[in-house]
Amino acid sequence: EAQVTQNPRYLITVTGKKLTVTCSQNMNHEYMSWYRQDPGLGLRQIYYSMNVEVTDKGDVPEGYKVSRKEKRNFPLILESPSPNQTSLYFCASRRLAGAREQFFGPGTRLTVL
Amino acid sequence: GQQLNQSPQSMFIQEGEDVSMNCTSSSIFNTWLWYKQEPGEGPVLLIALYKAGELTSNGRLTAQFGITRKDSFLNISASIPSDVGIYFCAGQLGNGNQFYFGTGTSLTVIP
Repeated sequence: EAQVTQNPRYLITVTGKKLTVTCSQNMNHEYMSWYRQDPGLGLRQIYYSMNVEVTDKGDVPEGYKVSRKEKRNFPLILESPSPNQTSLYFCASRRLAGAREQFFGPGTRLTVL
Repeated sequence: GQQLNQSPQSMFIQEGEDVSMNCTSSSIFNTWLWYKQEPGEGPVLLIALYKAGELTSNGRLTAQFGITRKDSFLNISASIPSDVGIYFCAGQLGNGNQFYFGTGTSLTVIP
């Protein structure tokens, strides 16, 4: 089944404790991205990657890192999480940068205490 | 980032009623997309619009790409309980690298 998977689905952590949220897609898509969803703000793009070893900042990149060492994986790293990073995070992929259809993962709900 | 304003923020309607929501922007977009997000899941694409003035249907859903390319509308006819969710518009600028999402319209259908 074609899908985007994220792990973990739920995470509660404390300020400053490094964490990684994994994202994997099995559709051989070139383009992957991370969004955060907050009430009243919709989805905002954090980082995106147009291909292996090619990443760029989205609208809200502060406090986040990403890497794209393999085509299928695009982990999101929070080196020192803070409470304002409490949010619902979505990974997404699409076949090419210009493709319209974007496939989203199921989301990761992160709480930083 | 780009600001897409969606209205209304939330809707509570009776089953069988028609629904209308819209999305506006200060920027001109080349593509407008409408997504639906159900609880506990990621957004799923409903309709994609590529040309100004375009009207596209997907079952009971109809969406239009505004003539000015700064707005889009989504209509749902004869709503049913499974229409419940949050509906997002998204716009794609010329270079295609980023999608900008609206703030969402939360729909509740009362049986």
